[in-house]
Amino acid sequence: EAQVTQNPRYLITVTGKKLTVTCSQNMNHEYMSWYRQDPGLGLRQIYYSMNVEVTDKGDVPEGYKVSRKEKRNFPLILESPSPNQTSLYFCASSYKESTEAFFGQGTRLTVV
Amino acid sequence: SQQGEEDPQALSIQEGENATMNCSYKTSINNLQWYRQNSGRGLVHLILIRSNEREKHSGRLRVTLDTSKKSSSLLITASRAADTASYFCAPLSAGNMLTFGGGTRLMVKP
Repeated sequence: EAQVTQNPRYLITVTGKKLTVTCSQNMNHEYMSWYRQDPGLGLRQIYYSMNVEVTDKGDVPEGYKVSRKEKRNFPLILESPSPNQTSLYFCASSYKESTEAFFGQGTRLTVV
Repeated sequence: SQQGEEDPQALSIQEGENATMNCSYKTSINNLQWYRQNSGRGLVHLILIRSNEREKHSGRLRVTLDTSKKSSSLLITASRAADTASYFCAPLSAGNMLTFGGGTRLMVKP
């Protein structure tokens, strides 16, 4: 089954404790991206990657890092999480940047 | 990247009625996509309409595109309670990324 898998689904952490949210897709898609969704602000793109070892900033990259060492994986790294990064995070992938995107189930992160 | 602006922000209808949502954008596009999001879940792709298409159907969904007005509409016919969700449009230009506006929150009352 074609899918994008994020882990964990829920996470509560403390300020400053490094964390990684994993994202994996099984469709051999070139393009992957991360979004955060906050009430009243919609979905905002954090980072995207157009292929292995190619990543670029989206609209709200501050405080986040990503890597794309393999085509299927695109982890989101918060080196020093802060409470303003409390949000619902989504990973997405698509064959190309302008084709149908497949979204993961979401990761609800709370930073206290 | 450009994002679409959905209108209205919220829409409440009775089951069986039709629901129409609109999307406006600013610059020329290659295609425009519509997505649905159930509360707290990931977005699900509904339909993609290319810039040279004017109308597209998929089941109870009908999407129109007017490139001269830089607008699109999504019509859901004979709505069901299960259609309750947020709907987002994503206008895409060449080489640009998928970005989203605030969406339209649709409530279908049984």
